[in-house]
Amino acid sequence: GAVVSQHPSWVICKSGTSVKIECRSLDFQATTMFWYRQFPKQSLMLMATSNEGSKATYEQGVEKDKFLINHASLTLSTLTVTSAHPEDSSFYICSARDFTGSYEQYFGPGTRLTVT
Amino acid sequence: AQKITQTQPGMFVQEKEAVTLDCTYDTSDPSYGLFWYKQPSSGEMIFLIYQGSYDQQNATEGRYSLNFQKARKSANLVISASQLGDSAMYFCAMREGSNTGNQFYFGTGTSLTVIP
Repeated sequence: GAVVSQHPSWVICKSGTSVKIECRSLDFQATTMFWYRQFPKQSLMLMATSNEGSKATYEQGVEKDKFLINHASLTLSTLTVTSAHPEDSSFYICSARDFTGSYEQYFGPGTRLTVT
Repeated sequence: AQKITQTQPGMFVQEKEAVTLDCTYDTSDPSYGLFWYKQPSSGEMIFLIYQGSYDQQNATEGRYSLNFQKARKSANLVISASQLGDSAMYFCAMREGSNTGNQFYFGTGTSLTVIP
């Protein structure tokens, strides 16, 4: 099956700093990638939809200036958490749609962010 | 209204027994896809099974089967011959429309514990 990677798998940062999370499709081209956030013991909440070469579409309530998303190529999308605060601590998961149009979206392994 | 409802926060099953995880959905789109994912404690989302709204037969994948009752808008996951490694969170998800780039809606999940 298709593989999506995320880097880093976990990160600890100080409050006020910025953190970049990468999402890569390793063996397929992804025109669309999705970024989710998951708090402990809760469901995945969609943050934004990232389309290659265009601006991301953010869900209601998600601050686009705080969560910067860039989808510069068909295999890479990045999420940058700017001026991180402890309440941004969460599990961030990306998924990618195969350009060939299979019914699946493929999920990355997730990135655990802890802001101290 | 919730798009996906999972009413069982936690379930227990004896090893080697079968277990059914409930999922109901809400959509007015005639074309949709239903998915089940397993999320172990490590966090990655593992795709289990898919059911398309126009599929005539219930989907099966090894020990996993999906009991699709379209009129009742339910898509229950049946795991046969439970194994200790099946202990995890299970999420039901739906994608509306025929575009595989459309977003997923996730349920709140069911925590399954397999008892030896």
